[in-house]
Amino acid sequence: DIQMTQAPSSLPASLGDRVTITCRASQDIGNYLRWFQQKPGKSPRLMIYGATNLAAGVPSRFSGSRSGSDYSLTISSLESEDMADYYCLQSKESPFTFGSGTKLEIK
Amino acid sequence: QVQLKESGPGLVQPSQTLSLTCTVSGLSLTSNSVSWIRQPPGKGLEWMGVIWSNGGTDYNSAIKSRLSISRDTSKSQVFLKMNSLQTEDTAMYFCARKGFDYWGQGVMVTVSS
Repeated sequence: DIQMTQAPSSLPASLGDRVTITCRASQDIGNYLRWFQQKPGKSPRLMIYGATNLAAGVPSRFSGSRSGSDYSLTISSLESEDMADYYCLQSKESPFTFGSGTKLEIK
Repeated sequence: QVQLKESGPGLVQPSQTLSLTCTVSGLSLTSNSVSWIRQPPGKGLEWMGVIWSNGGTDYNSAIKSRLSISRDTSKSQVFLKMNSLQTEDTAMYFCARKGFDYWGQGVMVTVSS
């Protein structure tokens, strides 16, 4: 099975900060990488698909990138509504696998 | 518009079988896969399995022996059955369509006697 190693697990940050969350794939997954945002008591929301494509309705301060087997989600200027948990998901091959999650919180 | 909604019992006894239904609208099961995902309280997301548009299935290796996913296309429903439930299976259970752009609201399942 493909393992997705996500870091950091917790990320204290201030409003206006630029923040980056990373997932590393244990095998080649091409661009079959999605990022989700989840707020307490809510279903996950798709933010990025195909590693770099912004999902519908997602603010342009969010972006996704890839460098080899490392995939990153970046928020260019943190807003209060961005405080949430974030997860990556590889869908290159079954079984699909999520990263362990990153809790983004106010410093 | 696309909607998914999970339903099922909120409480299941240990060693029993969990049966959940994901009812979809605004999409066809013959052209959309549907995945099941769960999340224990305070923990991360775990992909459980998928039923593909052609009716084939794939499962998470860790729970494959206990899990079965099926569907009734005429009723626009996808079913999850998992046997031998333990307290560790207490979680919110979600279904999501191909692309993971639409999710259900989730159903909380507690395994307890």
